[in-house]
Amino acid sequence: GEDVEQSLFLSVREGDSSVINCTYTDSSSTYLYWYKQEPGAGLQLLTYIFSNMDMKQDQRLTVLLNKKDKHLSLRIADTQTGDSAIYFCAESRSYIPTFGRGTSLIVHP
Amino acid sequence: DTGVSQNPRHKITKRGQNVTFRCDPISEHNRLYWYRQTLGQGPEFLTYFQNEAQLEKSRLLSDRFSAERPKGSFSTLEIQRTEQGDSAMYLCASSSTRTRGTEAFFGQGTRLTVV
Repeated sequence: GEDVEQSLFLSVREGDSSVINCTYTDSSSTYLYWYKQEPGAGLQLLTYIFSNMDMKQDQRLTVLLNKKDKHLSLRIADTQTGDSAIYFCAESRSYIPTFGRGTSLIVHP
Repeated sequence: DTGVSQNPRHKITKRGQNVTFRCDPISEHNRLYWYRQTLGQGPEFLTYFQNEAQLEKSRLLSDRFSAERPKGSFSTLEIQRTEQGDSAMYLCASSSTRTRGTEAFFGQGTRLTVV
């Protein structure tokens, strides 16, 4: 199976919260990351969390980490149409980020 | 600093030709990564450098692929005898061992189309 797993699609209404989930396999990962990719573009780093933390908040973004279950989530508050993109979770193994397939977030009015 | 720069942005080549891509990382970033991304997939790791040393290569990196980072600054990725299956977005990223999160910053990518 995949090392980093994410659901492929999420559809939300503008103004609602979005929650994107990720599971990973390497318990030795030191850092976990969330990236955003818009069509035809590279990946934009959104935020990261150190493995000894369980939560990190950065403006509209909240990252939750359950290290026991190897589960990571990204919550986007007050989701806007500009948040429509593909979101990638990544774990860091020996300094090499390993990515999931990405979750396509669709925001509709 | 203008971020990670990749050239060219797009490349169309005939099957069997060689292509070379360039990546200029963020200044003073000592780690540099190459990834490949195909439609509907996440980035797949190809190789990475710390300074000028190539420390790891994926099994995805066939003998036709070679990467260099001669002075520990910019890097090149060459694909010899291109095949249609090489068509993908090639992404470069850089990071620093001196930042706490060692987070990688990506360039805009080079889209390769092999016809």
